[in-house]
Amino acid sequence: DAGVTQSPTHLIKTRGQQVTLRCSPKSGHDTVSWYQQALGQGPQFIFQYYEEEERQRGNFPDRFSGHQFPNYSSELNVNALLLGDSALYLCASSLTGGYGYTFGSGTRLTVV
Amino acid sequence: GQNIDQPTEMTATEGAIVQINCTYQTSGFNGLFWYQQHAGEAPTFLSYNVLDGLEEKGRFSSFLSRSKGYSYLLLKELQMKDSASYLCAVRDGATNKLIFGTGTLLAVQP
Repeated sequence: DAGVTQSPTHLIKTRGQQVTLRCSPKSGHDTVSWYQQALGQGPQFIFQYYEEEERQRGNFPDRFSGHQFPNYSSELNVNALLLGDSALYLCASSLTGGYGYTFGSGTRLTVV
Repeated sequence: GQNIDQPTEMTATEGAIVQINCTYQTSGFNGLFWYQQHAGEAPTFLSYNVLDGLEEKGRFSSFLSRSKGYSYLLLKELQMKDSASYLCAVRDGATNKLIFGTGTLLAVQP
């Protein structure tokens, strides 16, 4: 049974560019949450998707947007990249009403 | 406001016991999680507490006191592979989002 799959694993972008990160949730899970983890810090909540809609959002600017597809997979888009966007981006899936969260291995984004 | 505090770093000896504390202040509470994270890898689930008391799972135990806003993770019979960052996270009762502390980097020495 596959867990959470994220792609790509590593990415290097230039300031001002746009990036799309992808996440396939664990089988049976219907909710996807995205987190940003800077080096030496804990993950920070970006937003959560359920039933193809953004349900909750953390303190991130509108440059961060997302999407969830009918098969529950999700994308995170970041526009106008800044150096400060360099981080590990984690996707976590869960089942509505459940308590467990399964994390993917993340995408390491470096903005130069 | 929402705030989760845990020590930044700890050092312990192989075979010993270590306790990692976590205090929290959140607007709502719907459970506390502990995750282990090795460098560059995904956080992996260790424990979940929603009621007061101790939950034991092999070498790992976790304790919760909701009235004190306090939890700890106890690791017994430490092994070198336990060297990792340990993340305390509280689930917000209203939004179900996880709020993480900064993590405690544990170094296990021979």
